[in-house]
Amino acid sequence: NAGVTQTPKFRILKIGQSMTLQCTQDMNHNYMYWYRQDPGMGLKLIYYSVGAGITDKGEVPNGYNVSRSTTEDFPLRLELAAPSQTSVYFCASSSSGGRRTDTQYFGPGTRLTVL
Amino acid sequence: GIQVEQSPPDLILQEGANSTLRCNFSDSVNNLQWFHQNPWGQLINLFYIPSGTKQNGRLSATTVATERYSLLYISSSQTTDSGVYFCAVEPYGGSQGNLIFGKGTKLSVKP
Repeated sequence: NAGVTQTPKFRILKIGQSMTLQCTQDMNHNYMYWYRQDPGMGLKLIYYSVGAGITDKGEVPNGYNVSRSTTEDFPLRLELAAPSQTSVYFCASSSSGGRRTDTQYFGPGTRLTVL
Repeated sequence: GIQVEQSPPDLILQEGANSTLRCNFSDSVNNLQWFHQNPWGQLINLFYIPSGTKQNGRLSATTVATERYSLLYISSSQTTDSGVYFCAVEPYGGSQGNLIFGKGTKLSVKP
């Protein structure tokens, strides 16, 4: 198993540009998540999905969009990049055991700089 | 919303020393996880521990949910233990899987 993979690893955007961060997992997990990590801080949840076709906002969703057309893929879209979106982005996935979600497994991250 | 506080914020150890990291949370939780972020940025799950005690090699963790804290013990530390340790909680009654992270404890182990 490759686990959770993310592309690209690094990206520099100009203000106002758009891009999509890709995330794929091969563990057949129903839950997937997008987080951002600012320097010296913990992670904050942007969006999450409990299954194909179902997404919901996390703590910091503004400026982002997501879709979940398959179990494996959960892309994150930035429509109009702003300097405040400079961060490291992590995708994660987990299974769900009854009333509780299980351990979250993280991808390697995408380092995004907006200039 | 729920607050997650980790202490100490920074910790420097000599190789071979033991340490205890603490995570306090302000409300009831469905689950609690400890993660290690290595110097290259990779996040690795250490423990899924909503309550009780678990051990994995030189690491162990204890969560006392009724008193709203968790402890991560590292024994006989090695330089490869360096990095940032995060505690993350899923608030009780919140969305499943919606983890709230603390700011982390940065550990440096010197040879």
